[in-house]
Amino acid sequence: QQQVKQSPQSLIVQKGGISIINCAYENTAFDYFPWYQQFPGKGPALLIAIRPDVSEKKEGRFTISFNKSAKQFSLHIMDSQPGDSATYFCAASIRSTGGGNKLTFGTGTQLKVEL
Amino acid sequence: NAGVTQTPKFQVLKTGQSMTLQCAQDMNHEYMSWYRQDPGMGLRLIHYSVGAGITDQGEVPNGYNVSRSTTEDFPLRLLSAAPSQTSVYFCASSPLSESYEQYFGPGTRLTVT
Repeated sequence: QQQVKQSPQSLIVQKGGISIINCAYENTAFDYFPWYQQFPGKGPALLIAIRPDVSEKKEGRFTISFNKSAKQFSLHIMDSQPGDSATYFCAASIRSTGGGNKLTFGTGTQLKVEL
Repeated sequence: NAGVTQTPKFQVLKTGQSMTLQCAQDMNHEYMSWYRQDPGMGLRLIHYSVGAGITDQGEVPNGYNVSRSTTEDFPLRLLSAAPSQTSVYFCASSPLSESYEQYFGPGTRLTVT
């Protein structure tokens, strides 16, 4: 059972365009929603994250939009650059017993930004 | 400051063999976890630990054992490798505080034949 559904599986965008990746979750106990970026041969790295009491968060060219009632959130990459070509994972976090945060990941989106 | 390190980087095993994937962090993080990454399935949590001597199961724990004797190290053991365990394995760590960022290691690519 995939608790966090992500789409599309792959995305090709022209340089300077907008990349949009969508995620939906089921468990209302999730309390934090990060996006991770992964380059080939590397581990994922945190890109941007949002709490469910905020509808939008922007950091540079990256924006998360969050719709709590619809249980959906999305990543927008403005002015997409070839260096943004990577795999993007949405995730949802829940506190584990004893502390720490268990992450449930989406299935990932391979983004390619073409010149 | 090396962050999260994993060894080996690559490993090939025959079915039934056992091995230990090593993970170490030098950030004094209490929380450590293991994920496996498979095409089309994202990263799935195998086991996690909130401190030395405390471990718990994640989403896909079968076939894997963990222990946490120190804050720094969190090894993952495959007792009897199966082809279904062919995957890329990532270790991650974070503080126990409200910080939600988990720091991932570079991964171990494991092939079981």
